Amino acid sequence: DAGVIQSPRHEVTEMGQEVTLRCKPISGHNSLFWYRQTMMRGLELLIYFNNNVPIDDSGMPEDRFSAKMPNASFSTLKIQPSEPRDSAVYFCASRSGGAHEQYFGPGTRLTVT
Amino acid sequence: KNEVEQSPQNLTAQEGEFITINCSYSVGISALHWLQQHPGGGIVSLFMLSSGKKKHGRLIATINIQEKHSSLHITASHPRDSAVYICAVTSGKLIFGQGTELSVKP
Repeated sequence: DAGVIQSPRHEVTEMGQEVTLRCKPISGHNSLFWYRQTMMRGLELLIYFNNNVPIDDSGMPEDRFSAKMPNASFSTLKIQPSEPRDSAVYFCASRSGGAHEQYFGPGTRLTVT
Repeated sequence: KNEVEQSPQNLTAQEGEFITINCSYSVGISALHWLQQHPGGGIVSLFMLSSGKKKHGRLIATINIQEKHSSLHITASHPRDSAVYICAVTSGKLIFGQGTELSVKP
């Protein structure tokens, strides 16, 4: 299994631009999580989906952030418009059924200038 | 006060030393996780436990549910163990500690 796949691995963009991060979970996993990691705040849950349905989006910072999961094998996290304070590493993780263990993707390092 | 607290925040050890990293939490949990994040940034799940003790190679994780405390031990530490170790608890969602940065010197 290829594990959780994220793209791009690195993204540099200018303030005000739209950014789209992509994630492909492990095949057969029915829960998907988006996390953000910064030096100041560490790892934080942004949103998670169960069976493609958003369950908890309380961690989404503001309306500039949106996430979708159109099918079981793909999710996007979009930031529009981006701001320098959005610079962070964004991780996607997936989990199977009732299991607790999550498998993390390699992350996308986002830099907004 | 953070819901998940780790100590120490930073730790430097000599190769071969026994290492302990602690994690305390203040919420009800269904599971506790220890994660390892290498300098390259990748995150790997080391343990998931809800009671007792688990061992994998030189790593041992324990949890005391009554005291809301967990420890991660590394025996015979090696420079390749240098990483950030993150404690996280499942309390509805996953809540993370701030991490412990471990550096093992040869």
